[in-house]
Amino acid sequence: DSGVTQTPKHLITATGQRVTLRCSPRSGDLSVYWYQQSLDQGLQFLIHYYNGEERAKGNILERFSAQQFPDLHSELNLSSLELGDSALYFCASSVGIGAITDTQYFGPGTRLTVL
Amino acid sequence: KNEVEQSPQNLTAQEGEFITINCSYSVGISALHWLQQHPGGGIVSLFMLSSGKKKHGRLIATINIQEKHSSLHITASHPRDSAVYICAVRFQPGNQFYFGTGTSLTVIP
Repeated sequence: DSGVTQTPKHLITATGQRVTLRCSPRSGDLSVYWYQQSLDQGLQFLIHYYNGEERAKGNILERFSAQQFPDLHSELNLSSLELGDSALYFCASSVGIGAITDTQYFGPGTRLTVL
Repeated sequence: KNEVEQSPQNLTAQEGEFITINCSYSVGISALHWLQQHPGGGIVSLFMLSSGKKKHGRLIATINIQEKHSSLHITASHPRDSAVYICAVRFQPGNQFYFGTGTSLTVIP
């Protein structure tokens, strides 16, 4: 158990809908990272937050948005869902700002299925 | 264009064999990570390297910055090592991560 929690574990929804994925980092960790893992694209980095501020952005679609709240939990909002958004969504946390010495601890993931 | 290439894609080994997984990347990086993903889907960070070599139990990771290449070695492999091993690199500026496609390892008793 990494100490990172993600809810829900599974989510099944329809095209065009909007969903929110939630991540609680390990106690004391200030950074949260979001990743998408799909069968055809593999793992992709979406976005990184540190202490409420966006630090880096990867291949995150405009239909997706994220934020980190004052209590450090983070939410990833996916809207106008398409079939291709079906994937495993992981969050990870680390104690620091993303320096070389930071180890990331991964949550168990949320499996999103868009029908 | 894939910034990170891993080989082999699939690997089957007998228990006890020495295993090597390779990762090559195309541009200068600030750090390279090796991740392990078990069949259940959970991901564990094994190593983070910016230079040299790191060892943890039966796992050894090396990186050659000049050649833009890293290797993950598993000594005395065991069936519980069966997993997908993923190489990830972090580029500066921007702090983006790029992932290899993974190496699926099966260790047979």
